[in-house]
Amino acid sequence: NAGVMQNPRHLVRRRGQEARLRCSPMKGHSHVYWYRQLPEEGLKFMVYLQKENIIDESGMPKERFSAEFPKEGPSILRIQQVVRGDSAAYFCASSPPGGGKNTEAFFGQGTRLTVV
Amino acid sequence: DAKTTQPTSMDCAEGRAANLPCNHSTISGNEYVYWYRQIHSQGPQYIIHGLKNNETNEMASLIITEDRKSSTLILPHATLRDTAVYYCIVRGTASKLTFGTGTRLQVTL
Repeated sequence: NAGVMQNPRHLVRRRGQEARLRCSPMKGHSHVYWYRQLPEEGLKFMVYLQKENIIDESGMPKERFSAEFPKEGPSILRIQQVVRGDSAAYFCASSPPGGGKNTEAFFGQGTRLTVV
Repeated sequence: DAKTTQPTSMDCAEGRAANLPCNHSTISGNEYVYWYRQIHSQGPQYIIHGLKNNETNEMASLIITEDRKSSTLILPHATLRDTAVYYCIVRGTASKLTFGTGTRLQVTL
């Protein structure tokens, strides 16, 4: 059973471009969480999605950031018009149906976004 | 979700048990205690979680006090590969995991 797969592992974008980060959850998992880790800082929650629904987006910046988890395919975190401050590691985690407080969430290896 | 307090850093000799404490004095009755670790800049790795009973798996043991206000993660025989930042997280109805600053464990020869 493959783990949480994130791609690309490294992404370089010029200021003003769009960044698309993909997350394929573990097989059978229907809950996805996105986190951001700025250099030398902790992990900050961004958004929690179930298939086709955003459950909690309290950590998402109000502008330029969006996330989706379609019925088919991976979850996508999209950053429009990137700025240097978006440079960070973005981690995705998944958990099984139920997704509640008694279910483990497993993380991918992250996408490291560099904005130049 | 309840807040947690952990020491900033700890050292442990290789082969010895590493005991990582966590205070969560405001934990509610239905909130779970989770432990994750992050090795260098890799993705966080799930270690263990529990509600009120002590738990053990192949990686570690989790000891939760009877009043549930604190817990200890025990790595029975620490190795150099256990050097990481360890996060104690209290998880409640919000489902998301809220990471604090964790404990930086350095395992030394």
